[in-house]
Amino acid sequence: EADIYQTPRYLVIGTGKKITLECSQTMGHDKMYWYQQDPGMELHLIHYSYGVNSTEKGDLSSESTVSRIRTEHFPLTLESARPSHTSQYLCASSDGWGYTFGSGTRLTVV
Amino acid sequence: KQEVTQIPAALSVPEGENLVLNCSFTDSAIYNLQWFRQDPGKGLTSLLLIQSSQREQTSGRLNASLDKSSGRSTLYIAASQPGDSATYLCAAPRGGGADGLTFGKGTHLIIQP
Repeated sequence: EADIYQTPRYLVIGTGKKITLECSQTMGHDKMYWYQQDPGMELHLIHYSYGVNSTEKGDLSSESTVSRIRTEHFPLTLESARPSHTSQYLCASSDGWGYTFGSGTRLTVV
Repeated sequence: KQEVTQIPAALSVPEGENLVLNCSFTDSAIYNLQWFRQDPGKGLTSLLLIQSSQREQTSGRLNASLDKSSGRSTLYIAASQPGDSATYLCAAPRGGGADGLTFGKGTHLIIQP
């Protein structure tokens, strides 16, 4: 079944650790996105990609980085996690019309 | 830059009522608009995608309308059920040639049994 997958679902990690949030989709979509959502707040676009080797910054400035080496894979990396990075991170893909979202990764940095 | 506003921010109604959630957007040069549902701590589930050439889109008890000229969309939920309790999000293209969606803050809906 075509879908979009995010791992891990939950992550609690100490300050200063490097983390990578995984996102994969099986729909063959060229466009992929990362959104950040603080509790009770709206979603903000932090990164997106038009396809392999393409990455762009979104509306919200983020210390995270992304890469797009394969069409189906769009990982997000934080080199040194801080408590201010505590949030929910949602990955999405699009066929150019509608958007499909993953279940999200809830990150807590202690 | 696109801005999306949703009214009301929260709504609590008894089971069985019909209700309307409102969404307004500032950049009317959109090619579509999408409504999502978000359950607490979860991802987003797509409910309806309305193309700019359409005025309405229906799925079961849900009906969404789009009026580009006025910059408005509404989500109509018929015969509400407790399982409809969730946050409903409206999202429009970011505009200005930029890719991605701009989201409203959502309407937090509670259906009382």
